[in-house]
Amino acid sequence: EAQVTQNPRYLITVTGKKLTVTCSQNMNHEYMSWYRQDPGLGLRQIYYSMNVEVTDKGDVPEGYKVSRKEKRNFPLILESPSPNQTSLYFCASSSIPWGSARQETQYFGPGTRLLVL
Amino acid sequence: DQQVKQNSPSLSVQEGRISILNCDYTNSMFDYFLWYKKYPAEGPTFLISISSIKDKNEDGRFTVFLNKSAKHLSLHIVPSQPGDSAVYFCAASRSFNKFYFGSGTKLNVKP
Repeated sequence: EAQVTQNPRYLITVTGKKLTVTCSQNMNHEYMSWYRQDPGLGLRQIYYSMNVEVTDKGDVPEGYKVSRKEKRNFPLILESPSPNQTSLYFCASSSIPWGSARQETQYFGPGTRLLVL
Repeated sequence: DQQVKQNSPSLSVQEGRISILNCDYTNSMFDYFLWYKKYPAEGPTFLISISSIKDKNEDGRFTVFLNKSAKHLSLHIVPSQPGDSAVYFCAASRSFNKFYFGSGTKLNVKP
């Protein structure tokens, strides 16, 4: 079954304690991305990756790190979490539509709810 | 400043009628637009997309319209069904790298 998996699904932590949220996809997608969802703000992109070893900042990258050492995995790292990073996080993956007529979309994981105390 | 806006936080429609969800964007360089549906406790799921070379794309009950001069995107659902009740997000991208999402519209389809 084609899917994007995230772990953990729920996490409560304390300010300053480093954490990693894992993301894995089994569709051989080049493109992977992390988003956070906050009330009234919709989804905001944190980081994205066009392929292995290629990552770039989204709209709200501050306080986050990512790495893309393998095509299937794209972990999100919070080196020193703060309460304003309490949010619902989604990982997504996609093929890249190299032609203008080709339609592609992002497949989203189930989400990770993070609470930073 | 939000580059993609959904100005209606909620919409209520009778079953069988048309649902029209709207989305505005500010960046004329966006070339790819998508609509997603999201149920509680799940990730967003793709509904329909449109590239900037088109002004309409249809898939079953769902049609997306793109008005580039007005920088406006709309999603029509006909006929609306109770199972369509969810939060709908529009999204836009330039060259499929960064994606910008609206804040969502919660659709309630009443039986």
